[in-house]
Amino acid sequence: KAGVTQTPRYLIKTRGQQVTLSCSPISGHRSVSWYQQTPGQGLQFLFEYFSETQRNKGNFPGRFSGRQFSNSRSEMNVSTLELGDSALYLCASSSGLAAGLQYFGPGTRLTVT
Amino acid sequence: DAKTTQPPSMDCAEGRAANLPCNHSTISGNEYVYWYRQIHSQGPQYIIHGLKNNETNEMASLIITEDRKSSTLILPHATLRDTAVYYCIVRVNNAGNMLTFGGGTRLMVKP
Repeated sequence: KAGVTQTPRYLIKTRGQQVTLSCSPISGHRSVSWYQQTPGQGLQFLFEYFSETQRNKGNFPGRFSGRQFSNSRSEMNVSTLELGDSALYLCASSSGLAAGLQYFGPGTRLTVT
Repeated sequence: DAKTTQPPSMDCAEGRAANLPCNHSTISGNEYVYWYRQIHSQGPQYIIHGLKNNETNEMASLIITEDRKSSTLILPHATLRDTAVYYCIVRVNNAGNMLTFGGGTRLMVKP
């Protein structure tokens, strides 16, 4: 099976712009979670989706949003970008709703200038 | 989820066993211990998990103390490719898919 794929792998944006990141989970997996990783804050949970429904959300401002499609692919959007949004954004997929075993993608490196 | 404590860094000689400790003194009876690792600039990779009993797979062994307040991840024959940050995570298995990552242990395998 192909692993979790994320596009694009690298992205440079300017403050105030918005960005959309994409994640395709492992075939058959219905759950997708998103994480932000920065040198200062480490790996932080953003939100998770299961069967197109957001099941859990981390402590991030409303500028961060996401959605999941019927084919389980997921997108996350960040509006009004700030310098502090520069980070590695990771997507993880799992087969179930309550699974500690998750498979991570390679991430999207976002740089905000 | 229970809080975990790990040493920030460890060194290990190539070919020797790497023993990575994790303290989780407030763990509840229904919480599992998970280990992930993250090699530089890659996404985290699942290694192993357990509830009470010791576990072994092709990557590592997990030793959980009888009182479950601590655990040790053992890489039996560390290679240079095992250099990574190792995360110990404690969580229940019926609370969604969120993983709470701490600072982890940066393992440096040296030739």
